[in-house]
Amino acid sequence: AQKVTQAQTEISVVEKEDVTLDCVYETRDTTYYLFWYKQPPSGELVFLIRRNSFDEQNEISGRYSWNFQKSTSSFNFTITASQVVDSAVYFCALSEDGDYKLSFGAGTTVTVRA
Amino acid sequence: DTAVSQTPKYLVTQMGNDKSIKCEQNLGHDTMYWYKQDSKKFLKIMFSYNNKELIINETVPNRFSPKSPDKAHLNLHINSLELGDSAVYFCASSQEGGGLAQIHGDTQYFGPGTRLTVL
Repeated sequence: AQKVTQAQTEISVVEKEDVTLDCVYETRDTTYYLFWYKQPPSGELVFLIRRNSFDEQNEISGRYSWNFQKSTSSFNFTITASQVVDSAVYFCALSEDGDYKLSFGAGTTVTVRA
Repeated sequence: DTAVSQTPKYLVTQMGNDKSIKCEQNLGHDTMYWYKQDSKKFLKIMFSYNNKELIINETVPNRFSPKSPDKAHLNLHINSLELGDSAVYFCASSQEGGGLAQIHGDTQYFGPGTRLTVL
């Protein structure tokens, strides 16, 4: 069964628009960890954020922000005032306690048009 | 300094050949991983090693054999390559399970990927 669902396959926006990427996860563990990674067209996987299940505080880093809600098992990612350089595939991932692996969602391709 | 490096970046080969991909990390991490990204961009764990010991072997054909000569290296050898092996292979490392602290859920840092094309 899919542990991480990213329902949006592709999103296309015009520069300066905000874009929110949805991530819904499934786990029975009480301790778990959530991540977002960015994969630009050049292909590398870039770590963006890590969140543990006990920390529901939202986080902001520059134009990026994350909303973690355990009640809805969601860990959504918002890019504010998008730029062309934000064009990439974004992956949400889950690590369950002691699991030694990441379970990735299918990814959301974001295209920002000038 | 590159934290996680892989060689080669591109690998084009014929069906039936044997090939290896090398991975090295200079982060001092205890755990290393191999992931496969298919043509639809889906990422899936193949193997993970902790302190040179195999922890996860995720239903990968036994044509794939990882080898960890030390904590900083995890190589992937593939025998009798098939068309379906064409993919991007990513190496990663983390401090998962590291030391007495038994770290969990640590961030995994990925190498640049190796694009394997089997003709």
